[in-house]
Amino acid sequence: SAVISQKPSRDICQRGTSLTIQCQVDSQVTMMFWYRQQPGQSLTLIATANQGSEATYESGFVIDKFPISRPNLTFSTLTVSNMSPEDSSIYLCSVDAGSSYEQYFGPGTRLTVT
Amino acid sequence: KQEVTQIPAALSVPEGENLVLNCSFTDSAIYNLQWFRQDPGKGLTSLLLIQSSQREQTSGRLNASLDKSSGRSTLYIAASQPGDSATYLCAGPNAGGTSYGKLTFGQGTILTVHP
Repeated sequence: SAVISQKPSRDICQRGTSLTIQCQVDSQVTMMFWYRQQPGQSLTLIATANQGSEATYESGFVIDKFPISRPNLTFSTLTVSNMSPEDSSIYLCSVDAGSSYEQYFGPGTRLTVT
Repeated sequence: KQEVTQIPAALSVPEGENLVLNCSFTDSAIYNLQWFRQDPGKGLTSLLLIQSSQREQTSGRLNASLDKSSGRSTLYIAASQPGDSATYLCAGPNAGGTSYGKLTFGQGTILTVHP
């Protein structure tokens, strides 16, 4: 299994500003994933972060809006840039652990943009 | 592209009842399927992972089955308790057998178990 922590747990931000969310894992992992959960919706994958290479973004998500860093095998950051109220969501990071590709999720960061 | 559907969207049952949550997926070339629980405002807790070679997995009062040929999975909860109240999500790989770690989620089933 894997234990994942995220910072901050929640934040209220003004439109036009940026917020960087941190994700820390208790073990080394190859891939880390970032998801968004909009109010009342299910989770949608934003991007995959591999250490030593640029993140891979899913359709509808771009690097300028959601830049991602992956400096080592236990840590990643997601920045939500130039925020608007539509960015109000829960942002979650996840990793897969072991050969079975079971996914583990962090507690999430609840973002409100006013 | 994988699509995951869950029914019912919401379920309210009295304590002690056995219940079944349903999940269907379009791309049957999956290597596993995973069930999660989400409490309000919280992250996801992994409940059960079923490998493509397995037909079911059990953990305590939970039993999940997988039928790849029909594109269906079910989560069975026995003797439900108020503490089981949460949203239950199933998720399969984005592109069936190749997108390791990338998941497509269903919309979830909101379960309420009342005393």
